[in-house]
Amino acid sequence: DAGITQSPRHKVTETGTPVTLRCHQTENHRYMYWYRQDPGHGLRLIHYSYGVKDTDKGEVSDGYSVSRSKTEDFLLTLESATSSQTSVYFCAIMVGGTDTQYFGPGTRLTVL
Amino acid sequence: GENVEQHPSTLSVQEGDSAVIKCTYSDSASNYFPWYKQELGKRPQLIIDIRSNVGEKKDQRIAVTLNKTAKHFSLHITETQPEDSAVYFCAASGRDDKIIFGKGTRLHILP
Repeated sequence: DAGITQSPRHKVTETGTPVTLRCHQTENHRYMYWYRQDPGHGLRLIHYSYGVKDTDKGEVSDGYSVSRSKTEDFLLTLESATSSQTSVYFCAIMVGGTDTQYFGPGTRLTVL
Repeated sequence: GENVEQHPSTLSVQEGDSAVIKCTYSDSASNYFPWYKQELGKRPQLIIDIRSNVGEKKDQRIAVTLNKTAKHFSLHITETQPEDSAVYFCAASGRDDKIIFGKGTRLHILP
């Protein structure tokens, strides 16, 4: 499983509250990604990181921010959660020099 | 940017028959095409991938073909088994270290 963990695995929160999801990897991969998965939409990229403090936006970045202060951790923050952000969130790493991505176990987020 | 279309969205095949899932991509610079399998409640798992310098790749009952000229690639599963039931995603990558995914195909293997 490429040494990727996500926390929490499940979360229920209320509209307007801040939420932070954590992705942790143990294999020192440079590239890390956050996706959301919704029925009928597949996997859509939110943000990604190509190194400590180096991040960039994906196709659905509005309402999300990220931070990477250490190689092993990539945090996804919803500053003020909305019901449209109810989804399953997957973190992924890319193995350097291969383009190949491996996914974490996912976090199911429900915003009421 | 890259756009990946995947068809069909749902596919039902009799156990033992073959299944084919097709994808097209838009960016001619894309050069890496992975396929992922996702079982219910689990993470997507890489099952096979192909690079643009190769036309076909096989791994036991799974094969992927790539036509760069037409910008399409396909997943072939032969002798399907119940455990092949899952959602399959194609993807394309080439520019700026990002992968763009298709919307998925739900494969049902009928007894």
